[in-house]
Amino acid sequence: EVQVVVSGGDLVQPGGSLRLSCATSGFTFSNYWMYWVRQTPGKGLEWVATIKADGSAQYYVDSVKGRFTISRDNAKSSLSLQMNGLRVEDTAVYYCAGYTYWGQGTLVTVSS
Amino acid sequence: DVVMTQSPLSLPVTLGQPASISCKSSQSLVHRDGNTYFIWLHHRPGQSPRRLFYRVSNRDSGVPDRFSGSGSGTDFTLNISRVEAEDVGVYYCMQHTHWPWTFGQGTRVEIK
Repeated sequence: EVQVVVSGGDLVQPGGSLRLSCATSGFTFSNYWMYWVRQTPGKGLEWVATIKADGSAQYYVDSVKGRFTISRDNAKSSLSLQMNGLRVEDTAVYYCAGYTYWGQGTLVTVSS
Repeated sequence: DVVMTQSPLSLPVTLGQPASISCKSSQSLVHRDGNTYFIWLHHRPGQSPRRLFYRVSNRDSGVPDRFSGSGSGTDFTLNISRVEAEDVGVYYCMQHTHWPWTFGQGTRVEIK
């Protein structure tokens, strides 16, 4: 059975940091590009970042460049998103996804 | 950035009747490798999004055959031949041919 479990969401103050984790099992994680997508309250989906299957390249939406870092550990079939310099507008449910699989989402709230 | 425009944004449907959602992109989604990196997602409230189709018309495992995806270039369509109660929710198109990856605004399907 495929599992994609996202964790790490929390309430954080503007300027703060948070690290999201995505633990996967049941599929060959190392074969697939993985990505993070977020959904702001009451709005649609926004792509945040992508990492190649071997981790050799990362891509980001302009609004998070220089603040967020996507990484992966293929030995552990896990994906991470390090978020620094958080802003109120980063408040969203964050989803981990890859191939055909999506995690359940974790809520990040940036507020003072 | 590639703008993805879905229509309609709200779609009330009668059970057993067909439904159709359009997604138009602001530029061609044909990649230089010849593939068209375009997917449809279904997002039910409180659940993770689910990928329905990849590369326009390839149905993901477990997706009922009442769903079909079609299109090319800049115009794409998701059809449901006979709507069932479980089909309610929001449908998104997404392109991953060009950076940044972008989503349509979403089409909310509800039962009349």
